[in-house]
Amino acid sequence: GIQVEQSPPDLILQEGANSTLRCNFSDSVNNLQWFHQNPWGQLINLFYIPSGTKQNGRLSATTVATERYSLLYISSSQTTDSGVYFCAVELKDSSYKLIFGSGTRLLVRP
Amino acid sequence: DTGVSQNPRHKITKRGQNVTFRCDPISEHNRLYWYRQTLGQGPEFLTYFQNEAQLEKSRLLSDRFSAERPKGSFSTLEIQRTEQGDSAMYLCASSYFNSPLHFGNGTRLTVT
Repeated sequence: GIQVEQSPPDLILQEGANSTLRCNFSDSVNNLQWFHQNPWGQLINLFYIPSGTKQNGRLSATTVATERYSLLYISSSQTTDSGVYFCAVELKDSSYKLIFGSGTRLLVRP
Repeated sequence: DTGVSQNPRHKITKRGQNVTFRCDPISEHNRLYWYRQTLGQGPEFLTYFQNEAQLEKSRLLSDRFSAERPKGSFSTLEIQRTEQGDSAMYLCASSYFNSPLHFGNGTRLTVT
């Protein structure tokens, strides 16, 4: 089956720092989504990004589908950015399920 | 848009008992998903509905698990004869065709 690998697995930042999270996937996909799971467990959709670049405030994401990776940029990090970031991909096999990576755990210190 | 609603938030049950969870998706969403998440892992796909039709079910889902979505609205997930290994967070999500997936707050199941 498809492999979805995220790096780094853990990241500690000082408030105000920037970071880049990576998601590699092993097969062609229909779309890719990024999620943030806050410390209370709620999963929030950040980006629906099958290709190209999108920005939302301090966050932006880029997916290069032909090279099978996506990047999530967090600028000027805040303590509220802490949590786990997941990427999830939808396979190109007419199946609409999203396969999740194992996540990047981010801790932003004040 | 009130978001995806799941009930109950927490469920503690004894091994061997049956449990049922409910999910109310965002009203205009035609796709509904169930996922399971254990500590330190990403959500794991269980099953998927488009309207009232269950189109896919994970091979990981044993015969003790069943899901329904009558009339294409709310959905229920039932686990029969629960085992301690079923302890996890059960997440429901919905979307409208090719649009972002929205998750509920989940139901945390503890099997003692």
